[in-house]
Amino acid sequence: NAGVMQNPRHLVRRRGQEARLRCSPMKGHSHVYWYRQLPEEGLKFMVYLQKENIIDESGMPKERFSAEFPKEGPSILRIQQVVRGDSAAYFCASSPPVNRRSYEQYFGPGTRLTVT
Amino acid sequence: GDSVTQMEGPVTLSEEAFLTINCTYTATGYPSLFWYVQYPGEGLQLLLKATKADDKGSNKGFEATYRKETTSFHLEKGSVQVSDSAVYFCALSHASDDKIIFGKGTRLHILP
Repeated sequence: NAGVMQNPRHLVRRRGQEARLRCSPMKGHSHVYWYRQLPEEGLKFMVYLQKENIIDESGMPKERFSAEFPKEGPSILRIQQVVRGDSAAYFCASSPPVNRRSYEQYFGPGTRLTVT
Repeated sequence: GDSVTQMEGPVTLSEEAFLTINCTYTATGYPSLFWYVQYPGEGLQLLLKATKADDKGSNKGFEATYRKETTSFHLEKGSVQVSDSAVYFCALSHASDDKIIFGKGTRLHILP
């Protein structure tokens, strides 16, 4: 059973470009979470999605960031007009739909975004 | 708001040494507590958890006890190995919530 997959693993963007980060949850998981890890910081929650629904986006910056989890395909975290402060590791986690508890979140390897 | 504070790293130990990584938390109510481990180039893995006061979580020789009176969840291992070299994150969550709140992580280096 494949784990949570994220791609790309490393992404370099120039200031002002768009970054698209993809997350494929574990098989059978319908809940996806995105976290951001800034240098020398712990992971910070950004958004929680179910298929076609954003459930909690309380950790998302108000501008330039968006997330989706379509009926088919991976979840996408999109950052428009990137700035140097967006450089970070972005982790995706997934959990099963039944008896969902936060300790059942399974993490992917992360995407390291570098903005030059 | 809720928060987790853990000792800063890096922590460097010799193989077979005793390990303690301190973790304290601030939270309303009765959160669940976790330790996650991140090996180089990999995602976070749940190492152990405790869901109520005085519970002891254990896995792979690591242990941590949920201490409500001191709001702590210190990670311990009696004899570390080189393969334990990784970054360790203390974390908490509430049953009614979706998010996990992490500490900043402690990098552990074990020397052969």
